Amino acid sequence: EVRLVESGGGLVKPGGSLRLSCAASGFTFSDYNLHWVRQAPGKGLEWVSSISTSGEDINYADSAKGRFTISRDNAKNSLYLQMNSLRVDDTAVYYCASRWLPNDYWGQGTLVTVSS
Amino acid sequence: DIQMTQSPATLSASVGDRVTITCRASQTITGWLAWYQQKPGKAPRLVIYRAATLQSGVPSRFSGSGSGTEFTLTISSLQPDDFATYYCQQYDSFPLTFGGGTKVEIK
Repeated sequence: EVRLVESGGGLVKPGGSLRLSCAASGFTFSDYNLHWVRQAPGKGLEWVSSISTSGEDINYADSAKGRFTISRDNAKNSLYLQMNSLRVDDTAVYYCASRWLPNDYWGQGTLVTVSS
Repeated sequence: DIQMTQSPATLSASVGDRVTITCRASQTITGWLAWYQQKPGKAPRLVIYRAATLQSGVPSRFSGSGSGTEFTLTISSLQPDDFATYYCQQYDSFPLTFGGGTKVEIK
């Protein structure tokens, strides 16, 4: 059974930091490009960042550049998102996703709330 | 950046209706387009990829079409399980971008 399980979300003050993790199982993790996608309360989906299978190719949304860092550990089947200088508008459910079409797997999401 | 514009934002329909959702890209995306279905509190589910390829396990009443900058998702006969929000996503180039979503509601 394929599973992606996010963790690390929570309540943080503006300017604070969080590190999200995504633990994968049930598929060959190292074969998949990985992504973080977020969804603010009541809003649509927003792509945040992607990392290639080897970790060499990384892309960020403008909203994440300079503040967020994506990384992966293929030995641990894990994806990470280090989020610094958090803002109120970063409040969202953060999903990790893995794609190697036609396979497309998503976690259940972890809620990040940025509030004073 | 490629902007994705979906219409309508909300669609009210009845069971058995044929419904069509449109997604327009701000520039040509050569068919690298996906459609997702999302229900409240759940992760998105891939319905269509490569503009017209039905994802495994998705009912055949779903179909996708289009090329260039205009794409459509059609549900040939709406079923109770289909009431959800649908998003298009281009994966032609970074930044990956989603449409704003279309909520399919019960009429």
